[in-house]
Amino acid sequence: NAGVTQTPKFRVLKTGQSMTLLCAQDMNHEYMYWYRQDPGMGLRLIHYSVGEGTTAKGEVPDGYNVSRLKKQNFLLGLESAAPSQTSVYFCASSSTTLYRQGRNYGYTFGSGTRLTVV
Amino acid sequence: QQPVQSPQAVILREGEDAVINCSSSKALYSVHWYRQKHGEAPVFLMILLKGGEQKGHDKISASFNEKKQQSSLYLTASQLSYSGTYFCGFHNTDKLIFGTGTRLQVFP
Repeated sequence: NAGVTQTPKFRVLKTGQSMTLLCAQDMNHEYMYWYRQDPGMGLRLIHYSVGEGTTAKGEVPDGYNVSRLKKQNFLLGLESAAPSQTSVYFCASSSTTLYRQGRNYGYTFGSGTRLTVV
Repeated sequence: QQPVQSPQAVILREGEDAVINCSSSKALYSVHWYRQKHGEAPVFLMILLKGGEQKGHDKISASFNEKKQQSSLYLTASQLSYSGTYFCGFHNTDKLIFGTGTRLQVFP
């Protein structure tokens, strides 16, 4: 019962390098999200997807790209990393129906990726 | 624009009560509440759908005033396990925008 899996868990990049963060979910969820978390800023939405082949911008999309080629995977790319992108990145997924069979279901989060850009 | 949470931090003794408030400048469809332990992922607590709706989860309950675009989380008779950072999230057209968080520490 994996839920949402993020890889890698930790990474150190040099300024200007590129990398891809992978998010995989096994709950057959339609919606997937990428958030970044910085001290005092809470969770801020980077990009999200409402289905396979679709993506949309969130609150802080600059410097990031995403792709959702398969329903279960959502990739976050950094083309040219900057120190300002040092953060903890969380992926989340949710069903299209948050309320069913008498229960409410929220977002399920992965365990996070701690990225440091030096 | 992110929802505004208050207070930013709360320190409690076991058994004391606390209230965390969340407000938005935008119209809302629903409100989510999550708790995050240090070094872990946020965990879903509850959703409130309608204006005036109240819900409970053990000794944690919440209310949502749709007209005022505000929600409050009530923690009653706090336990050590309640320690963590609490986030509200306002849901609007397929996405959840989170508040800045309230750090809650419960001591014996």
